[in-house]
Amino acid sequence: NAGVMQNPRHLVRRRGQEVRLRCSPMKGHSHVYWYRQLPEEGLKFMVYLQKENIIDESGMPKERFSAEFPKEGPSILRIQQVVRGDSAAYFCASSRTGSGAFFGQGTRLTVV
Amino acid sequence: GIQVEQSPPDLILQEGANSTLRCNFSDSVNNLQWFHQNPWGQLINLFYIPSGTKQNGRLSATTVATERYSLLYISSSQTTDSGVYFCAVGQETSGSRLTFGEGTQLTVNP
Repeated sequence: NAGVMQNPRHLVRRRGQEVRLRCSPMKGHSHVYWYRQLPEEGLKFMVYLQKENIIDESGMPKERFSAEFPKEGPSILRIQQVVRGDSAAYFCASSRTGSGAFFGQGTRLTVV
Repeated sequence: GIQVEQSPPDLILQEGANSTLRCNFSDSVNNLQWFHQNPWGQLINLFYIPSGTKQNGRLSATTVATERYSLLYISSSQTTDSGVYFCAVGQETSGSRLTFGEGTQLTVNP
């Protein structure tokens, strides 16, 4: 049973570009979460999705960030017009009802 | 929102020593997990333990939900135990999202 798969693992973008981070949950998991980890800090919740629905986006910045989990395919976290402050590790996690969350290996974004 | 406090923030041990990490939380929870983030940044699940006691090899954890704390025990520490240990909690009122503590940075020296 493969774990949570994220890609890419590392990403370097110039200010103003757009990025799309991908996450495939574990088999049998219908809940997907995105978290952000700034350097030397803990993880901060961004958004919680189920198939075709955003359940809780209270941790998402109001502008430039969006997330989706379509009926087919991986969950996508999209960041438009990236700025240096977006440089961080972005982790995806998945779970099924009543279980703990399992995390992917993260995408490390560097904005130059 | 719920507050999660971990202690100590930093811990340095000699190989073979035992240690106890603590996690206090400010409200009732229905999910508590311990993670180890290794030096390569990977988050490794250690325990899903909203209550009770569990053991896995040299590691064990206890959560006393009524008193709002959890403990992670590491026995006979090894250099590969180095990294950051995170406690994370979830509440029904906020869905299944996790609130993380700031972590305990553990360094095990040979």
